[in-house]
Amino acid sequence: NIVMTQSPKSMSISVGDRVTMNCKASQNVGNNIAWYQQKPGQSPKLLIYYASNRYTGVPDRFTGGGYGTDFTLTINSVQAEDAAFYYCQRIYNSPWTFGGGTKLELK
Amino acid sequence: QVQLKESGPGLVQPSQTLSLTCTVSGLSLTSNSVSWIRQPPGKGLEWMGVIWSNGGTDYNSAIKSRLSISRDTSKSQVFLKMNSLQTEDTAMYFCARITSMTMAFAYWGQGTLVTVSS
Repeated sequence: NIVMTQSPKSMSISVGDRVTMNCKASQNVGNNIAWYQQKPGQSPKLLIYYASNRYTGVPDRFTGGGYGTDFTLTINSVQAEDAAFYYCQRIYNSPWTFGGGTKLELK
Repeated sequence: QVQLKESGPGLVQPSQTLSLTCTVSGLSLTSNSVSWIRQPPGKGLEWMGVIWSNGGTDYNSAIKSRLSISRDTSKSQVFLKMNSLQTEDTAMYFCARITSMTMAFAYWGQGTLVTVSS
């Protein structure tokens, strides 16, 4: 089975900073990666699909990149409302494995 | 407007069977695929399984022996049944729709909390 490993597990940054988080697949998944944002008490929300496509309504400060086994989610000029957990996921084929998540905290 | 809503018992005794329902609106199950995902308190997301628009299913190999996903297209409902529940199955259970454009989970229900306890 494919294992998705996210790093770092948590990060603390200031409003206005740029942040990049990582997702590594244990085998080549092409561009079949999605990114989700989850705030406490809420369902996850789709941000990025097929590694770099921004979902409808997602602010353009969110950017996804990568191919094969290494992927990134970058948030330019982080806003207070971006404090959340972020999860990557292998998509398109089973198993639809999630990464362990990255917690983004604001200083 | 696409909506998904999970419903279930809330509390299940150890070794018993969990039955959950995902009721969808604004879409047809014959042309949409729905997945189940769970999240233990304070932990990450775990994909459980999917029922495809053609009625086929795929399951997470870690729980495949205990899990069954089915549907009633006339009632717009997707069902999850998982047997031999243990305390580690305590989690928020979500259903989510896979959109053909994204092949990702673009629509989620609000989730239903299941506690396994005697």
